[in-house]
Formats: sequence, structure tokens, C-alpha cells
Amino acid sequence: DAGVIQSPRHEVTEMGQEVTLRCKPISGHNSLFWYRQTMMRGLELLIYFNNNVPIDDSGMPEDRFSAKMPNASFSTLKIQPSEPRDSAVYFCASSLGSPSGNTIYFGEGSWLTVV
Amino acid sequence: AQTVTQSQPEMSVQEAETVTLSCTYDTSESDYYLFWYKQPPSRQMILVIRQEAYKQQNATENRFSVNFQKAAKSFSLKISDSQLGDAAMYFCAYRPGGGYTDKLIFGTGTRLQVFP
Repeated sequence: DAGVIQSPRHEVTEMGQEVTLRCKPISGHNSLFWYRQTMMRGLELLIYFNNNVPIDDSGMPEDRFSAKMPNASFSTLKIQPSEPRDSAVYFCASSLGSPSGNTIYFGEGSWLTVV
Repeated sequence: AQTVTQSQPEMSVQEAETVTLSCTYDTSESDYYLFWYKQPPSRQMILVIRQEAYKQQNATENRFSVNFQKAAKSFSLKISDSQLGDAAMYFCAYRPGGGYTDKLIFGTGTRLQVFP
């Protein structure tokens, strides 16, 4: 079975450019999560969706970050404009939202470097 | 708010030996789930083992087992017969039960080194 698929795997961009990260969750999963991992802050939940609806976006750092889930099989995380401090590994993850407690499966991550 | 604490930034073990990674958590809820994830240098997050809080029996997956002490809010991971491929960052994680509270809250991780 295909796992969570993220693209791009690696991206290097210049400060001020727009960055779009993409995610395809596991088929049938109805909860989707975006996490960010940095050395300083560890793993942080940015936002999560249930049935394509954003449930909690309190972890989104600022207005430069936005996330969408137009359908059950696709989500994007956009950073505009990007800054060097956005450099991190961004993980997308998915799970069955009900019953609660189902395992969350992670993609391989998107390594973002903003120079 | 729930928190997860991993007090061992680094651990090391000899190949074929046993090592235990510690994790404590803080919650006022009675219904929750606990996980250990492994993150090798490739950075992928791989599920190692999970535990439901309502289950008294400790979870086991091959060489990996947990010691779940609900009253003490402790959830340690034991790796038996350690292998070189076990070298990685290990994250303990907590997930609340019920409703749409699907967040996974991570500890800061323990880096495990395995020596031949």
C-alpha cells in the first residue's frame, strides 16, 4: 500500500520566494496533519484537518503560512514569502480520524532550505 | 496542557544488548494513546509501537516492548538484542482520546547509538 506521499523531497529557495509543499494522504484516511521539525523547536504541529476541514491551525506560525485541503486526497502547505528561519523538515501525516487513537502515519518529509 | 518528557538526550548500547529509553507524560485525561516513533538519518518517522491507555497489558512488537505505568505516567521503550539498524532518534508521543482531538504531542527525542 502506498504511504503518505510528499513532494518535493528537497527544495532550496531564495528568501522572498513562494514555496508550496504537497501531500497525498493514505487512501481512506480522513485526518491530515502538517508538522514542522527543527533543531531548536523539535516537532511542532502546524495544522490538522478532519474530513478536509481545518480543525486546529493554532500552530501556524504567522500569516505567511497557509494550508489547504481541497479534497480528501490532496493538501498543500504554502509559505509566502519564505524566510531563512522557515528552513526545516516539513512532514505531512494522515490517520483514520475515528475512532480516535488510530495510528498517525508520516510521509518522508520535505526538506526546505531558504537561503 | 499535555506534555511529553524524554529526559535522555542520548543513549548508547552495545550490539545484542538491551537498552531502555524513558518517557514520562503529563495529562489529566484517562483516555489516551501512547506511541514510540523511530527517526533514522533519512528523517522518515516510523512507528515502532503503540499503547492504549485502557489496556493494562504492555505492548510488544518483536524486539520492542514497553513498560507502561499509568499511575506514574511513564512509558518506557525496551529494545532487546539491539542491532546496528536500531540507531536513530526515538520519539515518544501522546495522543488524546475522543472527539476530534487528534493531535500527536511529541517529546524532544532520544538519540540512540548502537556500537558493534
